[in-house]
Amino acid sequence: DVVMTQSPLSLPVTLGQPASISCRSSQSLVHSDGNTYLIWFQQRPGQSPRRLIYRVSNRDSGVPDRFSGSGSDTDFTLRISGVEAEDAGVYYCMQGAHWPPTFGQGTKVEIK
Amino acid sequence: QVHLVESGGGVVQPGRSLRLSCAASGFTFSSHAMHWVRQAPGKGLECVGVTSDDGGEKHYADSVKGRFTISRDNSKNTLYLQMNNLRSEDTAVYYCARDRGDGYNSIDNWGQGTLVTVSS
Repeated sequence: DVVMTQSPLSLPVTLGQPASISCRSSQSLVHSDGNTYLIWFQQRPGQSPRRLIYRVSNRDSGVPDRFSGSGSDTDFTLRISGVEAEDAGVYYCMQGAHWPPTFGQGTKVEIK
Repeated sequence: QVHLVESGGGVVQPGRSLRLSCAASGFTFSSHAMHWVRQAPGKGLECVGVTSDDGGEKHYADSVKGRFTISRDNSKNTLYLQMNNLRSEDTAVYYCARDRGDGYNSIDNWGQGTLVTVSS
């Protein structure tokens, strides 16, 4: 299985400050169709995951533009340009290029 | 909007069986592949399996292959997960999730989950 490694695992952030989460895969996530299947999810406490970003950098409908995704091949980043209180939770990257889809361990974003 | 509601969870003894259901609404269920994903208490996320939109193709994680079976009834807009020979390590919240269909394993919307506890 493709191993997804996130860092850091814990990220304390001051309100209004930027935050960045790294996700690295053990294999390239470029599919034979030419697309790169890397998704970012947010899971707030007590809630189910919510998709934020798909195919590396495409924001889902309703996702604030302070969230952005970037990267290629095996190295990806989720950035929050200015953290708000509602952004507290655990963030997961997930690869869909290879079966089975696999998730990173999760990064807990805490508001200082 | 997309609405997924899981049911059927509970406490079950090791070696026994349980069937989960996921009722879908707010979208054309028969046009979407569907996934089951689980999350052990305090742990991360693990894909259990996926079924194609017509149920003709299914894939499973190695950890459940031969014990779990995914099925769907498109006339009832319902997804199922039959879990046999349950083990303690199957204890988790089980989510059904929609595949948006715009790529590979393009999971977007999730249900609220149902808790399965395997314990004697």
